Amino acid sequence: ILNVEQSPQSLHVQEGDSTNFTCSFPSSNFYALHWYRWETAKSPEALFVMTLNGDEKKKGQISATLNTKEGYSYLYIKGSQPEDSATYLCASSMEYGNKLVFGAGTILRVKS
Amino acid sequence: DGGITQSPKYLFRKEGQNVTLSCEQNLNHDAMYWYRQDPGQGLRLIYYSQIVNDFQKGDIAEGYSVSREKKESFPLTVTSAQKNPTAFYLCASSIYRGGAGNQPQHFGDGTRLSIL
Repeated sequence: ILNVEQSPQSLHVQEGDSTNFTCSFPSSNFYALHWYRWETAKSPEALFVMTLNGDEKKKGQISATLNTKEGYSYLYIKGSQPEDSATYLCASSMEYGNKLVFGAGTILRVKS
Repeated sequence: DGGITQSPKYLFRKEGQNVTLSCEQNLNHDAMYWYRQDPGQGLRLIYYSQIVNDFQKGDIAEGYSVSREKKESFPLTVTSAQKNPTAFYLCASSIYRGGAGNQPQHFGDGTRLSIL
């Protein structure tokens, strides 16, 4: 089974701080990398899907980068707000498949 | 509004009982998925279906069964053979274009199953 690791496990920051998380995945047979945001009492929401080495995607103050050769992706949040508090999940698929393997997530808490 | 509806939100199972979790989508997606979440772990794939009347086992299919008789519906049955069914269950769907790994998945709100 493909192993996807996320770090840190949790993060507490002050409003206005910028932060970043890491997702590591096996680089062999890589197909796609997904990021999701999961707020308490809501359903996970897709942020980005990336497939190409060097891909960078941005949505508002959130951005992500992808390095498929070394098997990692970074998610950045610039100027965190309390509403950014959520669990951020990454997931990887391999070999043109449609099975995703999820990491355990990074819990972000932003204090005002 | 298009989306995925899971029901019930909370479900209790007695020992030796089968229970069925409902998942309905009106997004016209071909692919549907069932995941299980346990504390401290990532979502784990139970079953998935790419097309009506076809489905495949995921990583933890033992003790579970599914059907896909309609495009909109993908119910999950937790059988008495699943010895540790207490968990949070999420259903998802996505576009399938010969390989949906590069398509975002859309999730329901989940069902929390507990043992009585």
